[in-house]
Amino acid sequence: GENVEQHPSTLSVQEGDSAVIKCTYSDSASNYFPWYKQELGKRPQLIIDIRSNVGEKKDQRIAVTLNKTAKHFSLHITETQPEDSAVYFCAPRGDSGNTPLVFGKGTRLSVIA
Amino acid sequence: NAGVTQTPKFQVLKTGQSMTLQCAQDMNHEYMSWYRQDPGMGLRLIHYSVGAGITDQGEVPNGYNVSRSTTEDFPLRLLSAAPSQTSVYFCASSRDRKYEQYFGPGTRLTVT
Repeated sequence: GENVEQHPSTLSVQEGDSAVIKCTYSDSASNYFPWYKQELGKRPQLIIDIRSNVGEKKDQRIAVTLNKTAKHFSLHITETQPEDSAVYFCAPRGDSGNTPLVFGKGTRLSVIA
Repeated sequence: NAGVTQTPKFQVLKTGQSMTLQCAQDMNHEYMSWYRQDPGMGLRLIHYSVGAGITDQGEVPNGYNVSRSTTEDFPLRLLSAAPSQTSVYFCASSRDRKYEQYFGPGTRLTVT
C-alpha cells in the first residue's frame, strides 16, 4: 500500500510570511494529489488538489506543486493569515485496485499575528 | 444535499458495551470510509467500502465491524467498547478513490 510522509509535523510562521508543507509518497502509480485542511474541532475539508498531468495549480493564496519523478508534492500558502492556522493533511491516490486511502500524519500550522 | 451525516454527535459508553455509529450520504458515492482521530493525531483508517456489498479493512480494524448493504449507508459497529477506542470518528465518502472525500461532522466517543 501507499506509504505517505508529511514534513514538517509542526510549523509556526509570522502573519504575512509563506508556509510550505511537503508530502512524500511511495506509489509511483499515484495520480491524484489533494490537500485537506482541518480547523480545530471541525471536519477535514479539501482545499486544493492536482492531477498528475499538471505540475502546479494555484487558487488565490494557496498552491500545490507536484514532482512525480521525485514522488512528492507540496502545499504553498502565501501571505499567511491567522485563519490559516489548522492541521493540513495530504492524501495521494492512485488506481491501485482496492488499496485503502490513507492520509499523511498531518502538519499543524500556527500563524502568529 | 445533506452531504455526509453522522449520528450520534456525542456518545459515552461503559467498557464492554456495544453500539453502532451511523453514517449516511446522499451523493450516490461509491467509496465510503471510517477514520478515527485521537487528540492531536492524524486520521487512521478503520474500514472502507468501494461499493454496496464490499468492505475491507484499513489500518486499525480490530474491535470494529462494518457493513454496506446500500450505497447510502455505512454503519460502524463497536463490538465491545474499550477505553482505547475513545476518539473522534469521521465517516467520509467520495465518488471514487481519485476524487475529493467529503467528511461527516464526526462522532465524539468516550469509553469509561
